[in-house]
Amino acid sequence: EVQLLESGGGLVQPGGSLRLSCAASGFTFSSFAMNWVRQAPGKGLEWVSGIVGSGGSINYADSVKGRFTISRDNSKNTLYVQMNSLRDEDTAVYFCAKARSGSWQFDYWGQGTLVTVSS
Amino acid sequence: DIQMTQSPSSVSASVGDRVTITCRASQGISNWLAWYQQKPGKAPKLLIYAASSLQSGVPSRFSGSGSGTDFTLIISSLQPEDFATYYCQQSNSFPLTFGGGTKVEIK
Repeated sequence: EVQLLESGGGLVQPGGSLRLSCAASGFTFSSFAMNWVRQAPGKGLEWVSGIVGSGGSINYADSVKGRFTISRDNSKNTLYVQMNSLRDEDTAVYFCAKARSGSWQFDYWGQGTLVTVSS
Repeated sequence: DIQMTQSPSSVSASVGDRVTITCRASQGISNWLAWYQQKPGKAPKLLIYAASSLQSGVPSRFSGSGSGTDFTLIISSLQPEDFATYYCQQSNSFPLTFGGGTKVEIK
């Protein structure tokens, strides 16, 4: 059974940093692209970043480029996102999502972790 | 960036109704389109991938069609568990983008 478990969310002040983790199990982690998708309170879904299985190709939404860094440790079956220079508008539930083989469509999602940026 | 426009933004329907949701891409995306269902407080769930392929375990009352710029999600006979918000997503090019969502409400 595929499981994705996010952790690391919490309250942080504007300008602060936070690192989210997503522990994966139930599939060959290194074979699949992984993503972060966020959802601000009461709003729709926004893709944040994606990384291929090897880690060799990474993409970001313009809204986080230069501030967020996605990475993965295939030996630990874990996905990360380092979030720096956080802004009020980064407040959201952050989901990790596994991509289907050969596509960037998301067949499994974690339960999400809430990041609140506020002074 | 490719903009995804869903309509309607909300729809009121009764159990047993046929519900149609449309999604339009600002440029051609071939069949690189997925549909998701999200219930309050839960993660999204993949329903349809590659525009028309039913994800394993999803009831056959859900179907998707379209190619290029215009896509449709149909729920053939609405069930109580189908009241939720539905999103389309393009995966033709980065940045990946979602539609604004369609909330299916009880009439």
